[in-house]
Amino acid sequence: QVQLVQSGGGVMQPGRSLRLSCATSGFNFMNSAMHWVRQSPGKGLEWVALISYHGRTTYYADSLRGRLTVSKDFSSNSVFLHVASLRLEDTATYYCARSAAGFNFFDFWGHGSVVIVAS
Amino acid sequence: VIRMTQSPSLLSASTGDRIYISCRMSQDITTHLAWYQLKPGEAPKLLIYAASALQRGVPSRFNGSGSGTDFTLTISCLQSEDFATYYCQQYHSLPYTFGQGTNLEIK
Repeated sequence: QVQLVQSGGGVMQPGRSLRLSCATSGFNFMNSAMHWVRQSPGKGLEWVALISYHGRTTYYADSLRGRLTVSKDFSSNSVFLHVASLRLEDTATYYCARSAAGFNFFDFWGHGSVVIVAS
Repeated sequence: VIRMTQSPSLLSASTGDRIYISCRMSQDITTHLAWYQLKPGEAPKLLIYAASALQRGVPSRFNGSGSGTDFTLTISCLQSEDFATYYCQQYHSLPYTFGQGTNLEIK
């Protein structure tokens, strides 16, 4: 049974940093690229980050480049997203999602972590 | 950046209806297109990948078609559980992008 269990999020102040976690099970983590996708209130989905199956390559959305760091921990089959210098517009539900190596559509998703940036 | 135009943004339909959602690309993406279903409080669900391949476990009333720049999601014989928001996504090139979404509501 595939599971992506997300944690982190909450109400954060502008300028602070945030770390979101996604613990996975039920699929081959070693052969999976992992992604983060967010949905701002009342808006559509936005892809924000990718880490390759081996963890050595990352890609970020241009709008967030420089403030994001995505990482993998193979010992716990988990993926993490660090967002620095939070802005009001970072308020969103953040989803982790998997794609099998070599494929870039998202076949498994977490339930989302709600992040609210407010002073 | 590949731009996507998804339409309609809002669609009202009744159970048993057949509906169509369109997704148009700003450039040729061959068949690197997926469709997802979103319901509040649930994890998004992959329906279709490679433009027309049905994800395992997805009912056959969901059908994807198209290639190049024009794609369609067809849902035949709508069921109550199908009322949700639908998104297309291109994975032809980074940054991966999504359509604006279609909110399918009960008429």
